Amino acid sequence: AQRVTQPEKLLSVFKGAPVELKCNYSYSGSPELFWYVQYSRQRLQLLLRHISRESIKGFTADLNKGETSFHLKKPFAQEEDSAMYYCALRGYSGGSNYKLTFGKGTLLTVNP
Amino acid sequence: KAGVTQTPRYLIKTRGQQVTLSCSPISGHRSVSWYQQTPGQGLQFLFEYFSETQRNKGNFPGRFSGRQFSNSRSEMNVSTLELGDSALYLCASRKGENTEAFFGQGTRLTVV
Repeated sequence: AQRVTQPEKLLSVFKGAPVELKCNYSYSGSPELFWYVQYSRQRLQLLLRHISRESIKGFTADLNKGETSFHLKKPFAQEEDSAMYYCALRGYSGGSNYKLTFGKGTLLTVNP
Repeated sequence: KAGVTQTPRYLIKTRGQQVTLSCSPISGHRSVSWYQQTPGQGLQFLFEYFSETQRNKGNFPGRFSGRQFSNSRSEMNVSTLELGDSALYLCASRKGENTEAFFGQGTRLTVV
């Protein structure tokens, strides 16, 4: 079974402060992890995926298989980072599989 | 290029009725996935179609069904609507394996 847990429903920080959105997963195989973001009145969009190992908009996320975590981090939060963030997992069960399992999301608010 | 288009954007139906939602993927994308988003359950996978074939299905009752046409457009149908079916239904398309999924803006279904 695939499971993604985002323990914080709400996270509020001040502009310029570091931010970390937590994500833990459960999957017996080798997963692919993603972070999706949804800004107000916009569609859900991919922020980053672990296999790319890139930094998007200053955000990074490292897959820690030992702790089964994929936390999203940014050293200096900006007001425009305020959005809903979803962690998602894609597991492979033989053949092709594009079922994305999402966490319930964390609403990040960056205060001025 | 045009994004994923879902129609209609809003829909109000009565319990017991059925509804059909439509999704037009990005041109060239052959995979379409459907998700249900509710405040309580978050984003849940419904099913995925690729080249007119259903490849994966989530844990939803048989009242939820879908299909994909030769032009990759997809429809999902919900029969015998229940109040609990009220949700935002999201469609995502992708070009192929290991490619990014692009989401539509969703259809907001309200069952009264």
